[in-house]
Amino acid sequence: EDKVVQSPLSLVVHEGDTVTLNCSYEVTNFRSLLWYKQEKKAPTFLFMLTSSGIEKKSGRLSSILDKKELFSILNITATQTGDSAVYLCAPLLYGNKLVFGAGTILRVKS
Amino acid sequence: SQTIHQWPATLVQPVGSPLSLECTVEGTSNPNLYWYRQAAGRGLQLLFYSVGIGQISSEVPQNLSASRPQDRQFILSSKKLLLSDSGFYLCAWSGQGGLYLGKLFFGSGTQLSVL
Repeated sequence: EDKVVQSPLSLVVHEGDTVTLNCSYEVTNFRSLLWYKQEKKAPTFLFMLTSSGIEKKSGRLSSILDKKELFSILNITATQTGDSAVYLCAPLLYGNKLVFGAGTILRVKS
Repeated sequence: SQTIHQWPATLVQPVGSPLSLECTVEGTSNPNLYWYRQAAGRGLQLLFYSVGIGQISSEVPQNLSASRPQDRQFILSSKKLLLSDSGFYLCAWSGQGGLYLGKLFFGSGTQLSVL
């Protein structure tokens, strides 16, 4: 059975802090890994990671994948209250199937 | 540009009543279509996905069914709702391949409460 574990389950930080969100996975037919941000309703796409060791960056967010150890991390530097959301990790399998983790709830206090 | 419409936004239904949630996509053709459910504090669980008209794959046995009567229309149904069907339902689409592979674009969701 495909399994995705995200940690921590929830996190409260102050503005300006740096956070690291973790995602480990055990899936069959792994193709790539995606990160999504869910603020209220619809999750929005952040990153797609296909190769190990290549960091993807978008502003204050960055992510990296380790295909050997089967995990990924999402870093957010200089956090802002607008970063408060649920962050979802999702391995993409061959066959176009995404398997989502339960998410990490991030709350950034001003 | 592509857009996805999902309705209704909120629904309260009694146990045993039928259900029909609709999702349509504009601005693309032959998308992959998905129905997900998210229980409170949980991740997204894939319910159904479709790669074409009339082609439905079910991920988990349940009280729900899905249909794709047109290329860009995806419907989630139930003949008799159970309490356990309560949750947040999300429709999503993706392209068939290339740049869009794996990138899901979600509708705004339906919060279903079965009482």
